[in-house]
Amino acid sequence: DGGITQSPKYLFRKEGQNVTLSCEQNLNHDAMYWYRQDPGQGLRLIYYSQIVNDFQKGDIAEGYSVSREKKESFPLTVTSAQKNPTAFYLCASSKQVMNTEAFFGQGTRLTVV
Amino acid sequence: QKEVEQNSGPLSVPEGAIASLNCTYSDRGSQSFFWYRQYSGKSPELIMSIYSNGDKEDGRFTAQLNKASQYVSLLIRDSQPSDSATYLCAVKNNQGGKLIFGQGTELSVKP
Repeated sequence: DGGITQSPKYLFRKEGQNVTLSCEQNLNHDAMYWYRQDPGQGLRLIYYSQIVNDFQKGDIAEGYSVSREKKESFPLTVTSAQKNPTAFYLCASSKQVMNTEAFFGQGTRLTVV
Repeated sequence: QKEVEQNSGPLSVPEGAIASLNCTYSDRGSQSFFWYRQYSGKSPELIMSIYSNGDKEDGRFTAQLNKASQYVSLLIRDSQPSDSATYLCAVKNNQGGKLIFGQGTELSVKP
């Protein structure tokens, strides 16, 4: 089945640890996005990538890092510099042509313990 | 000023009524506009996209776009309790590639 797969669904992190969230898509989409959602809030853009080996910071990039070595994969690392990492993380992808929709994975819920 | 603004609600309508959800955006270069529905604890799902001024209808849903006023809306006719969710407006500048979301409007449809 074609789609966007995020793993794991739930992730627990100790303070001071880096963790990496996986996002893989087999839709042949060029563009990929990472968002953070806090309870009762909308989606805030962390990073986005329009092509392989290129990505741009979103509105809340501090404390996060990404890579885009393959078209299918856009992993997000939450570093120890991110002071409030507990949130719902969503990955999305879209074709990189005009007027195309973005579709989401099922999300990863990260909790700091 | 937020890039994409929505009334946070909650918006409560009786079953069978029309629900009207509104969104304004600040980037005049925006070219693509989307409405997503998000149930609690789930990821957003796309319900409507609109790219040119005017109305676009799909079943019980109608999206309306007015680029001059930088305004996009979603109407849900014959609202059902299953429509109760948070509705997210999203705006994209195709040149820059950023896809920005509003804070969402919580809709409650009462039986």
